[in-house]
Amino acid sequence: LAKTTQPISMDSYEGQEVNITCSHNNIATNDYITWYQQFPSQGPRFIIQGYKTKVTNEVASLFIPADRKSSTLSLPRVSLSDTAVYYCLVGDGGFQKLVFGTGTRLLVSP
Amino acid sequence: SQTIHQWPATLVQPVGSPLSLECTVEGTSNPNLYWYRQAAGRGLQLLFYSVGIGQISSEVPQNLSASRPQDRQFILSSKKLLLSDSGFYLCAWSMGTGYDYGYTFGSGTRLTVV
Repeated sequence: LAKTTQPISMDSYEGQEVNITCSHNNIATNDYITWYQQFPSQGPRFIIQGYKTKVTNEVASLFIPADRKSSTLSLPRVSLSDTAVYYCLVGDGGFQKLVFGTGTRLLVSP
Repeated sequence: SQTIHQWPATLVQPVGSPLSLECTVEGTSNPNLYWYRQAAGRGLQLLFYSVGIGQISSEVPQNLSASRPQDRQFILSSKKLLLSDSGFYLCAWSMGTGYDYGYTFGSGTRLTVV
């Protein structure tokens, strides 16, 4: 599985847009990119998934450049409740053993 | 819809005592099942995974074991707990055929070994 690199932490304020970038230089042709969110003492929760270009849902947007060696999770107008750890993972679907890194710890302040 | 249940939510056990954590999945068949552990402030460490009944693969050698007695039941066990076994244990499932929305995690068990 392709290894991913993310910033360890980010700080933001309520109402701002937050962009978290993930590097995955060794992404394979069949790999998808998936982002998870984890609150303290809870299991990670699926946020968004994409293969290329842009994907948007009610929670976030995912931007993937043409070379797919990186991706950016965009959270519009964050609130205090968006304070969490965000994980970026890549994989080709099917059976796999997802390896979670330390993720990006986002702190949203008033 | 599919749901995953994990219990207990919290557990305090003395060193040397046995452990049994249970995870069940509803609403799907033949899921891939996983046990992860998360130490305080750390990422998730994959402990065991299973692609079918009785099929268990271990990722990290330790005094823990896993079993899958039924298609949608995954159990994490230990005969004698160590202090280092403390952590947040998460069960997860995925379908593993074609691409889906990745893993769905249970609510976790906070284990404190004293």
